[in-house]
Amino acid sequence: NAGVTQTPKFRILKIGQSMTLQCTQDMNHNYMYWYRQDPGMGLKLIYYSVGAGITDKGEVPNGYNVSRSTTEDFPLRLELAAPSQTSVYFCASSYGVAGASEQFFGPGTRLTVL
Amino acid sequence: TQLLEQSPQFLSIQEGENLTVYCNSSSVFSSLQWYRQEPGEGPVLLVTVVTGGEVKKLKRLTFQFGDARKDSSLHITAAQPGDTGLYLCAGDIGTGRRALTFGSGTRLQVQP
Repeated sequence: NAGVTQTPKFRILKIGQSMTLQCTQDMNHNYMYWYRQDPGMGLKLIYYSVGAGITDKGEVPNGYNVSRSTTEDFPLRLELAAPSQTSVYFCASSYGVAGASEQFFGPGTRLTVL
Repeated sequence: TQLLEQSPQFLSIQEGENLTVYCNSSSVFSSLQWYRQEPGEGPVLLVTVVTGGEVKKLKRLTFQFGDARKDSSLHITAAQPGDTGLYLCAGDIGTGRRALTFGSGTRLQVQP
């Protein structure tokens, strides 16, 4: 199993551009999450999903959108990129509800907005 | 407002020393997890604690969950350079969201 894969690994955007961060898991997990991690900080939850077709906002959803059309994929869309969105983005998945189950993380996407 | 406070934020010690990292909240956790993150990688789960007063050991790492389930600690005995990394606590604080809240992390550097 590949686990959780994320693409791209690195990306530089200009202010106002848009992009989609891809996330795929092959563990048949129902729960998937998107976090951002600013330098020297912990993780802040952007959006999460408890199954295909179901998504909900986390702590910092503004400027982002998600969709979950399949169990495997959970893309994160950035519209009108801003310098404040410069961060490392992690996708994660878990079999059961967070806290009771281990979250498996992808390797991250490092995004810079100039 | 940081719901989970970790201390210290940064710790640099010599190989062989002992250390303790703390994770505190004013809220009650239904469960709490500790993760370790190495540079350029995602966090990896170390342990999950669910019962107040619970103690779990993972080789030289000892994890304790407070009796009131509002705090937790991670103690490392005889630290080694391989323990270097960012240690994150994460808890379900019963906000109704079925997702974790992460602390800001403790960055540990163990010098050989």
